[in-house]
Amino acid sequence: KQEVTQIPAALSVPEGENLVLNCSFTDSAIYNLQWFRQDPGKGLTSLLLIQSSQREQTSGRLNASLDKSSGRSTLYIAASQPGDSATYLCAVKSADDYKLSFGAGTTVTVRA
Amino acid sequence: EAGVAQSPRYKIIEKRQSVAFWCNPISGHATLYWYQQILGQGPKLLIQFQNNGVVDDSQLPKDRFSAERLKGVDSTLKIQPAKLEDSAVYLCASTLRVTPGGQETQYFGPGTRLLVL
Repeated sequence: KQEVTQIPAALSVPEGENLVLNCSFTDSAIYNLQWFRQDPGKGLTSLLLIQSSQREQTSGRLNASLDKSSGRSTLYIAASQPGDSATYLCAVKSADDYKLSFGAGTTVTVRA
Repeated sequence: EAGVAQSPRYKIIEKRQSVAFWCNPISGHATLYWYQQILGQGPKLLIQFQNNGVVDDSQLPKDRFSAERLKGVDSTLKIQPAKLEDSAVYLCASTLRVTPGGQETQYFGPGTRLLVL
C-alpha cells in the first residue's frame, strides 16, 4: 500500500523567501506525481504534474523535482508572496492500479 | 468552462441521521470520483465512476455509504446512518479521459463539509 508523507506539516515564512516543500512515497512503482494547492473552503487545484519518466516540471515560480528511485519529490516556490498561503498536497498515481494516494499536506503561511 | 459543482456546501446532522451530497462534473467528463478528506489528512478515494458504471469502490463503507451516477452525468453520495467519524469534507472530482492510465489531471469541486454531532 502506497504511503505518502509530507514534511513539514506547517511552514511560516516572510514574503520574498523561497519555499521548499517535501514529499516522500514508499512505493517507487508510480505512474505520475502531482502537486495540488488547496485554499480554505475550496477544492484542490492542480499545480504541476510530473510523469514517472521526468525529473522535473516548471510553471512560473513553481518547480517540482522527482527522484523516483529514492521516493522523493520537492516543490520549490520562488520569491514567495502572501497569495501563496495555502495547503499544498502531493499525490502519487500508482503504476499498478492507477489510484491516487495523497499526502496530508503542508500548510504554508507567507507573512507580509 | 464551468467547474465541478457540489451541493450543499455545509451540512450539520446528528448521528444516525441520513445525508446526501450532489455533484455535477464538468460537461463531457466521463470519469467521476468521490473523496473523503478528514481534517488534517489528504483525500481518500471512496468511489470512482466511468460514465454510469462503478470502476472502483473498494474503500467505500458499503454498510452505510452508497453512490450512484444515473445517466453518466450527475452523481449523489449518501450516508445512512451517519456516524461521528463521518465528519469530513466530501470532494467530488472529474476527468475528461476514460483511460485509467492517462496523464490527465482531476478537477475538483469545492467540497461539502459535513459535521456529525
